[in-house]
Amino acid sequence: AQSVTQLGSHVSVSEGALVLLRCNYSSSVPPYLFWYVQYPNQGLQLLLKYTTGATLVKGINGFEAEFKKSETSFHLTKPSAHMSDAAEYFCAVSDGPNFGNEKLTFGTGTRLTIIP
Amino acid sequence: DTGVSQDPRHKITKRGQNVTFRCDPISEHNRLYWYRQTLGQGPEFLTYFQNEAQLEKSRLLSDRFSAERPKGSFSTLEIQRTEQGDSAMYLCASSQFWWDRGYQETQYFGPGTRLLVL
Repeated sequence: AQSVTQLGSHVSVSEGALVLLRCNYSSSVPPYLFWYVQYPNQGLQLLLKYTTGATLVKGINGFEAEFKKSETSFHLTKPSAHMSDAAEYFCAVSDGPNFGNEKLTFGTGTRLTIIP
Repeated sequence: DTGVSQDPRHKITKRGQNVTFRCDPISEHNRLYWYRQTLGQGPEFLTYFQNEAQLEKSRLLSDRFSAERPKGSFSTLEIQRTEQGDSAMYLCASSQFWWDRGYQETQYFGPGTRLLVL
């Protein structure tokens, strides 16, 4: 069974400061890993994903994440926070190819607040 | 391509009533997923379709829930005899699965239907 743990349900950073959102996963098969962002009363938008290959993944809006198998982590970072980054962020895991239906298992989310 | 659409966006109903939600996926996508998101939680998988075939249902999907995708295009999710615990955001997502590669593209989500059961 897969699971995702997001440390910190609320994170506040100053505008221009580093954003670090933590995600640890558990999976019995090689995982695919995702970060989604959700703005109020909207659906989920994909920020970035890791499938295979390069462990440092770049996404939209200046975000990136690094897959660390030894630490079972996939933390999300952005060098300089912008006010528009304020949202809810979800880390998710799915089975890799040929292992299942690729359904997503989500963490409980981290609400990011940007302080002017 | 207009993305995944869901209708209605909001639904308020009284306990015991039946409700039906619709999802229109991205047109060429052969997989369609339903998730449920309660307040303060991440989305949870409910069920998914490969074309018109429903291939998996979560334990969360009680007998009061039924989903269909009759022609492999749009899908409906019906909840019978709604309960207050059914209040949640219901999210639909679609993706393209490539049989010859055993590979699925990214899941794209719709805006969701927010259900409130009074």
